[in-house]
Order: sequence, then C-alpha cells, then structure tokens
Amino acid sequence: KAGVTQTPRYLIKTRGQQVTLSCSPISGHRSVSWYQQTPGQGLQFLFEYFSETQRNKGNFPGRFSGRQFSNSRSEMNVSTLELGDSALYLCASLRDRSEETQYFGPGTRLLVL
Amino acid sequence: GIQVEQSPPDLILQEGANSTLRCNFSDSVNNLQWFHQNPWGQLINLFYIPSGTKQNGRLSATTVATERYSLLYISSSQTTDSGVYFCAGAIYNQGGKLIFGQGTELSVKP
Repeated sequence: KAGVTQTPRYLIKTRGQQVTLSCSPISGHRSVSWYQQTPGQGLQFLFEYFSETQRNKGNFPGRFSGRQFSNSRSEMNVSTLELGDSALYLCASLRDRSEETQYFGPGTRLLVL
Repeated sequence: GIQVEQSPPDLILQEGANSTLRCNFSDSVNNLQWFHQNPWGQLINLFYIPSGTKQNGRLSATTVATERYSLLYISSSQTTDSGVYFCAGAIYNQGGKLIFGQGTELSVKP
C-alpha cells in the first residue's frame, strides 16, 4: 500500500507570494492533518480535514488555509508569505476513527526569502 | 490545552548502550504515539501505545495512562538510531490533532 505523498518536496518563495502544498493520504484514509515544524516552535498542528470538512484547527493566522477534495487529497495554502513561514510542512493521514495511528508524509520544505 | 514534556532534550550514547526516553502529559491523552524523525525530516512511526507495553526488536515502549507518562526504551543502540524522537498524543475524539513534545535528540557514537 502506498504511503502518504506530498508535493512539492522543496519550494523557494519570496515574501508576499502565496504557496499551495499538496498531500495525498494513504488509500482508504479519510482524514488529513497538517503540521508545521520550525526549529523555534517545534511541531505544531495546523488543521485537520475529514470528508472534505475542517474538523480541527490550530492557532495559526487566517493566511493559512486548507481544503480537502472528494478523493481525500488535501491542499494547504499560505497567502502573503512571511520569512517566519519558512518551515517543514508535514501532512498525516488517519483512517477515520479518532483512536488510530497517524502516518506522516515526507514533508515539504518551504524557504521564504 | 495539553502540554507534552520530553526528557532528556539531548542524549549522547556510545554504540551498544541502552537508553530510556520519557514523555509526560499534563492531561489524559488517547492516541499516544512515538516517532523517530529521520535526517530528511520524515516522521517514522515507532509505536502507537495509548496504554501498556509493546516491543519491536531493540525498541520497546510503556505507557502508564493513569499517571500520564510514557517511556521509550532503546537497547543495544546503534549509530542508525541517531536522530530526534518525538512523543505525541491527542485528547479523546480528536485523534487527528496530535500535540507533540519538543523531542529528544539522540546521538549514538561508534
């Protein structure tokens, strides 16, 4: 069974631009969560989508948004990029029940110049 | 919200040594998991262990849910065990929202 895939793997943007990251969960998984990892703040939860609906949300500004499609693939978008948005963005998938193991993708490294 | 505290923050071992990593939670959690982050950044699942003890080769984990802590044991460490180990948990019915500790950075010297 294929794992969680994320595209692109690396991205360089400049301040003020916007970016869209993509995540395809494990086949049959309906939940996709997004996390941001930075050296200063560690791993922080962004949001979770389940069956095309946002189920949970972390404490990030409105510049961070996401969506999920009917095939469970998810995208996250960051508008008006800031230098502090430079991070590793990880997505994870979960089958459907809450008490389950989350599986993570390889991540997208975003550098904002 | 839940606070997750991991100790120690850093650990240096000689190859062959054993180690214990600890994770404390400020409140009850459900989906407690241990991960190893490889040098490329991917989080590798080690254990899903909301309670009890599990073993996988040289690694084992124990969670005492009533006392809100979990331990990860690494025996006969190898240089390939180096990296950052994270524990994470979620509150009931919010399994997709994992709260992570700050990690333990392990370095195993040959």
